Amino acid sequence: SQELEQSPQSLIVQEGKNLTINCTSSKTLYGLYWYKQKYGEGLIFLMMLQKGGEEKSHEKITAKLDEKKQQSSLHITASQPSHAGIYLCGADGGGADGLTFGKGTHLIIQP
Amino acid sequence: AAGVIQSPRHLIKEKRETATLKCYPIPRHDTVYWYQQGPGQDPQFLISFYEKMQSDKGSIPDRFSAQQFSDYHSELNMSSLELGDSALYFCAVGGAGAVVPYEQYFGPGTRLTVT
Repeated sequence: SQELEQSPQSLIVQEGKNLTINCTSSKTLYGLYWYKQKYGEGLIFLMMLQKGGEEKSHEKITAKLDEKKQQSSLHITASQPSHAGIYLCGADGGGADGLTFGKGTHLIIQP
Repeated sequence: AAGVIQSPRHLIKEKRETATLKCYPIPRHDTVYWYQQGPGQDPQFLISFYEKMQSDKGSIPDRFSAQQFSDYHSELNMSSLELGDSALYFCAVGGAGAVVPYEQYFGPGTRLTVT
């Protein structure tokens, strides 16, 4: 079965600083999803990557999928308090399979 | 834009009772996924449906069953509830016909507490 490892597990960043979260898969990724979750709330879709080398950006968040499609990074530029939360990467096994999630990265933004 | 609707948002049940959770997808999303997220855990895939047929099964207990109806809404039925069933239950919708194919949009979740 596919396993996803996220790093770091938690991250405390001063407001305005940049940060990167990594997601490494034990197998080739058919689709890699990034979600943000406020504590105890629903998952907010951020972006999906499918092609090796693909990079997508939304506001100050950029995600990349490496050429071998086994690792993805999520980069936040000039972090803001609204970026705080849990970031989850999810892997798609193809078709109508459910996603397998990483354990999440807890991001805290210090003013 | 309208999003995925889940009801109820909160549910409190006693051990051995039954619960039914509902998920109402957004248009053109013909695939429904159910996930369970225990306290401090990552979401675990339970089951999925495509065009009203079960398409994939994850770690769903035999006490749970689910179905997708003709209007594409889905229900997760849980019987003989146990304390360990207390969790957030999410449904997600997606599919080839989605705005972005195979994107999965999550509902806000139903928080089930079993006492």
